[in-house]
Amino acid sequence: DAMVIQNPRYQVTQFGKPVTLSCSQTLNHNVMYWYQQKSSQAPKLLFHYYDKDFNNEADTPDNFQSRRPNTSFCFLDIRSPGLGDAAMYLCATATGTGRETQYFGPGTRLLVL
Amino acid sequence: GQQVMQIPQYQHVQEGEDFTTYCNSSTTLSNIQWYKQRPGGHPVFLIQLVKSGEVKKQKRLTFQFGEAKKNSSLHITATQTTDVGTYFCVSTTSGTYKYIFGTGTRLKVLA
Repeated sequence: DAMVIQNPRYQVTQFGKPVTLSCSQTLNHNVMYWYQQKSSQAPKLLFHYYDKDFNNEADTPDNFQSRRPNTSFCFLDIRSPGLGDAAMYLCATATGTGRETQYFGPGTRLLVL
Repeated sequence: GQQVMQIPQYQHVQEGEDFTTYCNSSTTLSNIQWYKQRPGGHPVFLIQLVKSGEVKKQKRLTFQFGEAKKNSSLHITATQTTDVGTYFCVSTTSGTYKYIFGTGTRLKVLA
């Protein structure tokens, strides 16, 4: 089945130790999104790609970077995780017309020690 | 910027009771989507409304889009324990590929 896959599902890192989260999709969608979701809050958009065109949200910290080497894969790099970065990180895709369904991956729960 | 507020923030109901969540925007929306997120899960698409005054039904769920396209509602008839989760309304920002999430309503159903 076509889907959005995130690895790992759970990630434990140390304060300040770089971490990379990955997302892959078999839907061949143009747009890929990274969201951060903290407990009892709505998902917060960090950035998105339309193909290779990168779009950063104004309030996304510089500590967060992203790479999209090809249509199928997108990575979230946290260069120096702080305790406040512990959250669920959700990857999503969409075809790119702006009015269609977003498909979410299962998420990666990040714990920072 | 565009903001989408939902009320209530939390709702506890007895199984079998009805439930409604409301979504309000400060600006006119081109469309509105509804997603459900189970505890520990990820958002799952439920439905999209596009037309002014549109009403759609999915079994026990009824979705409405306001005439002015600034508000929307989700009504669940006779809630079941499987309805537990957080319901988000989501809109798209005109001219972009960004989705704006509402603040969400967390539903708990007591058996």
